Amino acid sequence: NAGVTQTPKFRVLKTGQSMTLLCAQDMNHEYMYWYRQDPGMGLRLIHYSVGEGTTAKGEVPDGYNVSRLKKQNFLLGLESAAPSQTSVYFCASSPVWGRQYNEQFFGPGTRLTVL
Amino acid sequence: DQQVKQNSPSLSVQEGRISILNCDYTNSMFDYFLWYKKYPAEGPTFLISISSIKDKNEDGRFTVFLNKSAKHLSLHIVPSQPGDSAVYFCAASARGQGAQKLVFGQGTRLTINP
Repeated sequence: NAGVTQTPKFRVLKTGQSMTLLCAQDMNHEYMYWYRQDPGMGLRLIHYSVGEGTTAKGEVPDGYNVSRLKKQNFLLGLESAAPSQTSVYFCASSPVWGRQYNEQFFGPGTRLTVL
Repeated sequence: DQQVKQNSPSLSVQEGRISILNCDYTNSMFDYFLWYKKYPAEGPTFLISISSIKDKNEDGRFTVFLNKSAKHLSLHIVPSQPGDSAVYFCAASARGQGAQKLVFGQGTRLTINP
């Protein structure tokens, strides 16, 4: 199993450009998440999904859109990139088992720089 | 407002000694806590967790302690090994938030010296 994979690993954008980050998981997990990590800030939740066709806002959703057309994929879009969106983006997924909480499995991250 | 805080950005410990990483939280609704470990250029990986109904959880060299009255948790690593050098994040979740949304601390960089 590859686990959680992210594409691309690195990207440099100019202000105003758009792009889509792709997250894929092969663990048949119901939940998927997008986080950003900035220096001194830890990880902050951007958007999440509790199942195919559903999405919801997290802590810092402004400037981002997401889609989950297939259970295994979760896309994060930047319509008009801004320098404030320079960050490392992590995708994660988690199962829905009998327990109340289950740990999230993270991808390797995408380092995005917006000039 | 930072609901989960790790006030020590870095910690240096000698190999074989105990490493203690601390985390404080402000939201009394948090009822599940996790520690993640992160190596450079990799995603975080789950390490250990604890429910608010417990005050201690142990897994091999790793033990997490929860003090609900003080809203404080700590991760103990005994004995510390060079491979433990990484950034450690504590995270918290509240019942009813759905989808197990996590709130992360800023992270503590642990360096184990030989």
